[in-house]
Amino acid sequence: DAGVIQSPRHEVTEMGQEVTLRCKPISGHNSLFWYRQTMMRGLELLIYFNNNVPIDDSGMPEDRFSAKMPNASFSTLKIQPSEPRDSAVYFCASSKNPGAGYEQYFGPGTRLTVT
Amino acid sequence: DAKTTQPPSMDCAEGRAANLPCNHSTISGNEYVYWYRQIHSQGPQYIIHGLKNNETNEMASLIITEDRKSSTLILPHATLRDTAVYYCIVRISGNTPLVFGKGTRLSVIA
Repeated sequence: DAGVIQSPRHEVTEMGQEVTLRCKPISGHNSLFWYRQTMMRGLELLIYFNNNVPIDDSGMPEDRFSAKMPNASFSTLKIQPSEPRDSAVYFCASSKNPGAGYEQYFGPGTRLTVT
Repeated sequence: DAKTTQPPSMDCAEGRAANLPCNHSTISGNEYVYWYRQIHSQGPQYIIHGLKNNETNEMASLIITEDRKSSTLILPHATLRDTAVYYCIVRISGNTPLVFGKGTRLSVIA
């Protein structure tokens, strides 16, 4: 099992540019979560999907952020336009629903730097 | 907001047991206690979870008090690779998001 795969691992972009982060969940998992981690705010949920349907996007900071899950094996998080305050590590996690413990498995993260 | 309180940091000698406490005095009857850890520059990693009984797996043991208002994660023989931030999370079992607090930074010292 390859685990949750995220790409790119590192992204450096200039303010105003569009950024797209990608996630491939573990095969057979039907729930997907996007989290963001900063020194100031720690780890916080942005959005999550069940069976490709967005369930809660209340953590998405503003309209500049959007997320999609076109199929069970792929999700994107897009920031347009990007701003320096978006600099953070973005994690994707997946879980199986229903599952024995609903434990979430995290990817390695994408470190985004907006200059 | 996180529903748990953890000490910000702890040290443990290599080879000794690491006991990480967590207070969750407002826990509800249908809420579980989950533990995750985050090794530097990696994504969080699931460790263990429980409702009211003590639990053990290959990574750790979880001891939950009878009133369920607190718990302790035990790493029986800590190694340098166990140095990480440990998060105690209270959560309804089900497909719900994790709410992370600040966690406990455990340093295992040789």
